[in-house]
Amino acid sequence: AQSVAQPEDQVNVAEGNPLTVKCTYSVSGNPYLFWYVQYPNRGLQFLLKYITGDNLVKGSYGFEAEFNKSQTSFHLKKPSALVSDSALYFCAVRDYSGTYKYIFGTGTRLKVLA
Amino acid sequence: GAGVSQSPSNKVTEKGKDVELRCDPISGHTALYWYRQSLGQGLEFLIYFQGNSAPDKSGLPSDRFSAERTGGSVSTLTIQRTQQEDSAVYLCASRPTGRETQYFGPGTRLLVL
Repeated sequence: AQSVAQPEDQVNVAEGNPLTVKCTYSVSGNPYLFWYVQYPNRGLQFLLKYITGDNLVKGSYGFEAEFNKSQTSFHLKKPSALVSDSALYFCAVRDYSGTYKYIFGTGTRLKVLA
Repeated sequence: GAGVSQSPSNKVTEKGKDVELRCDPISGHTALYWYRQSLGQGLEFLIYFQGNSAPDKSGLPSDRFSAERTGGSVSTLTIQRTQQEDSAVYLCASRPTGRETQYFGPGTRLLVL
């Protein structure tokens, strides 16, 4: 069965420093991977996705993610964190059970300190 | 354009009562999903509708939970005989055919007393 793991419940980073939010996956075929962000009191928003192609995927708000097949990872990164990046981040993978079902991780709360 | 809307935004109910949660997807989106977000549990898949196909109900936690989608548009999630453990935020998302990106609504926060 497909699954994703987000090993960190919370990540703290100083404003201006690079940030990384970790995600590892387990799939039976080629992975379709996603990152979503949930700002306080707002719905989830799509950030970026990896379907195929370049291992480095660029998304919204200056975020990018690196697909690493050998390490089965899809870590979210940003070169310089902003206080406004503070939010809850979810990694997701598309299920291959025959339907367009998506499996989400437990989420990582990012706190950017001024 | 209009996004996914959900109503009510908040619902407080007593244990044992039935509740109905509504989702209006983005017009033209053929796929619709319901998720449950509990503290510390991430997003839990509940049910998935795709066009006129039979829904994927594999995530519904018990037979107290049901959902329907009328006319390929609006969806209602019904929880019968609510329990305190049903307290959570219920999120709806829609997705256009052939695309992978889901568009989420603001959610309904359900509190069962």
